[in-house]
Amino acid sequence: GAVVSQHPSRVICKSGTSVKIECRSLDFQATTMFWYRQFPKQSLMLMATSNEGSKATYEQGVEKDKFLINHASLTLSTLTVTSAHPEDSSFYICSGRLAGANNEQFFGPGTRLTVL
Amino acid sequence: AQKITQTQPGMFVQEKEAVTLDCTYDTSDPSYGLFWYKQPSSGEMIFLIYQGSYDQQNATEGRYSLNFQKARKSANLVISASQLGDSAMYFCAMRGLRGADGLTFGKGTHLIIQP
Repeated sequence: GAVVSQHPSRVICKSGTSVKIECRSLDFQATTMFWYRQFPKQSLMLMATSNEGSKATYEQGVEKDKFLINHASLTLSTLTVTSAHPEDSSFYICSGRLAGANNEQFFGPGTRLTVL
Repeated sequence: AQKITQTQPGMFVQEKEAVTLDCTYDTSDPSYGLFWYKQPSSGEMIFLIYQGSYDQQNATEGRYSLNFQKARKSANLVISASQLGDSAMYFCAMRGLRGADGLTFGKGTHLIIQP
C-alpha cells in the first residue's frame, strides 16, 4: 500500500507555544489530505480536509485560527497548533487520499502531542 | 450526517477461533464506502478491508471478510483463525457520497486474543 509519514512522532511543548506537524505522502500524490485527532481511548475525529493549493475545510467545532493547515504540494500537508494549551494534548493523525476506485485513505503513523 | 455504531467495547477470543466484530451504520447518502481499520498499541492505522455500497459480493482480504447486509445497515468484520497478533483496537468507518470526503469512525472494539 501507499506510505504516509508524519514528523515528529512525538512532541512535548510548553503551553503557549506553537507546534508544526508535517504529513508527507512518500510514494503517491495526495490531492486531498485529512487531519484527525484521537483522544486517549477514544475514536478518531475528523478535524479538517486539506486540498492542495486551496484553503482547508474545517469540521464543525474545530477552530481554523488555532489549527492552521497548509497543503503546499501534492505530497506535503502541515498542521500547526498555535498557542497550544494542555487541552490540545492528543494524538494527531493525517491521511492521504489515493484517487481511484475506492478512494482509499492511507494513514500516517501519528504524532503524539503533549502540552505542559 | 453519518453515524457508525460499534457496540462491543471489548472482546476476548481464544487463539485460532473466528471472531466477528459488529458494526452498524446510518447515512442518507445513496452511495457510500465502508472500511475497517486495525490500530495496534503503536497507534498506526492499518487498513484491513473495504466494501462499496453497490458491491454485489462481500469483500474478502485474506483472513478478513466483511459481512455486508445492506438492508440491516450492518458491516461486520469477520476474522478467521485468529492469531495473537490480531490483538488491537478495530475501527469501523464510512465515507459518504463524495470520494474526497473524510471518514466517520465508530468508537472501536478492543480485541484481545488469548493463547
